[in-house]
Amino acid sequence: GQQLNQSPQSMFIQEGEDVSMNCTSSSIFNTWLWYKQDPGEGPVLLIALYKAGELTSNGRLTAQFGITRKDSFLNISASIPSDVGIYFCAGQKSGNTGKLIFGQGTTLQVKP
Amino acid sequence: GAVVSQHPSWVICKSGTSVKIECRSLDFQATTMFWYRQFPKQSLMLMATSNEGSKATYEQGVEKDKFLINHASLTLSTLTVTSAHPEDSSFYICSAKGNYGYTFGSGTRLTVV
Repeated sequence: GQQLNQSPQSMFIQEGEDVSMNCTSSSIFNTWLWYKQDPGEGPVLLIALYKAGELTSNGRLTAQFGITRKDSFLNISASIPSDVGIYFCAGQKSGNTGKLIFGQGTTLQVKP
Repeated sequence: GAVVSQHPSWVICKSGTSVKIECRSLDFQATTMFWYRQFPKQSLMLMATSNEGSKATYEQGVEKDKFLINHASLTLSTLTVTSAHPEDSSFYICSAKGNYGYTFGSGTRLTVV
């Protein structure tokens, strides 16, 4: 099935560093969502974006809905060990029966 | 907040048997529920979309006779893996769409031996 292009695929950073990841698509999306998944668990919503250009923060996390509606990024500032996990972007298109299309995921490892 | 309960969290079954996975929205009504499959180190792949009281819509390549979905109420959807084989071993995740948006279950690890 169709997927969003998410990068980087993995990151290994030092605690305290900032992290940035992004998703791109050739199609327009009406909604962009960012999720975090811990091993053996379902994804948990971090940030939801509904409007082109929207910039939203959730604690140390900031995400933006690209102005072209074809991309989104997620930033994590001052990373901590519990940020470890897999981060997924997901997009929803208009009239798509509400189904989400997921990126390939970014695996984040944080070295204390 | 919206909570989705998925059971069982893990199951081991013998090849040829069937397994049922339940997905319940505990504090909201879910007009639509989604079933995903996730292989190790891979993303979530949508299997099917189910609306209460109607037949599920399956994604291309997903066998509807093998993965039976029932969405009998606004708070319960079930996925039955029929005649399971080792290649069906995977992590299955449900998602319910309500007023709060999309809420995911905690997943079911299926191992077919």
